[in-house]
Amino acid sequence: ETGVTQSPTHLIKTRGQQVTLRCSSQSGHNTVSWYQQALGQGPQFIFQYYREEENGRGNFPPRFSGLQFPNYSSELNVNALELDDSALYLCASSLLQGDYGYTFGSGTRLTVV
Amino acid sequence: AQSVTQLDSQVPVFEEAPVELRCNYSSSVSVYLFWYVQYPNQGLQLLLKYLSGSTLVKGINGFEAEFNKSQTSFHLRKPSVHISDTAEYFCAVILNTGFQKLVFGTGTRLLVSP
Repeated sequence: ETGVTQSPTHLIKTRGQQVTLRCSSQSGHNTVSWYQQALGQGPQFIFQYYREEENGRGNFPPRFSGLQFPNYSSELNVNALELDDSALYLCASSLLQGDYGYTFGSGTRLTVV
Repeated sequence: AQSVTQLDSQVPVFEEAPVELRCNYSSSVSVYLFWYVQYPNQGLQLLLKYLSGSTLVKGINGFEAEFNKSQTSFHLRKPSVHISDTAEYFCAVILNTGFQKLVFGTGTRLLVSP
């Protein structure tokens, strides 16, 4: 059973730039969710993808967007980066209508300067 | 809207002592409840979850939690902690209705010293 892998592990970007973060889901999982964890805070839900469609979104602006591919891997894209976007971005895979067994990756640490 | 409150931002404890990490939630509908652990520079690992049934839930690494519906609490306990339990612990809920997403508390840092 493979886990969830995220890349890159660390990233430094300049304000105004765009960034793409990647996630490979655990084998057998069909749903991927993305979370933002600011320093000293709990993770905040960004959005969830199922069957390549966004099926739920948190309180994040449209410059946060995503993709899910047929192999259930996923990307998180953030445009027009702001300093407050600096955070740990976590990807979690699961089975829709499953037993809520979310498997989290180790995250991508994004720093915006 | 549901929310999760972790009353203690940091809990210091000596090795082999018992510990309780507190979690309260607010919701007008029934919820599913979770505890996750995060070690430095790592993602979240599920310790235990309550979906239904017995209100006392046993998890990994000797942790357990008890769901108390009247108190809207889901406190995490361990009878004897180890140095290796030093980590950040997050309580989370999922509403048992509509779109289901994890809502996390702000976390409790458990510091175990010798």
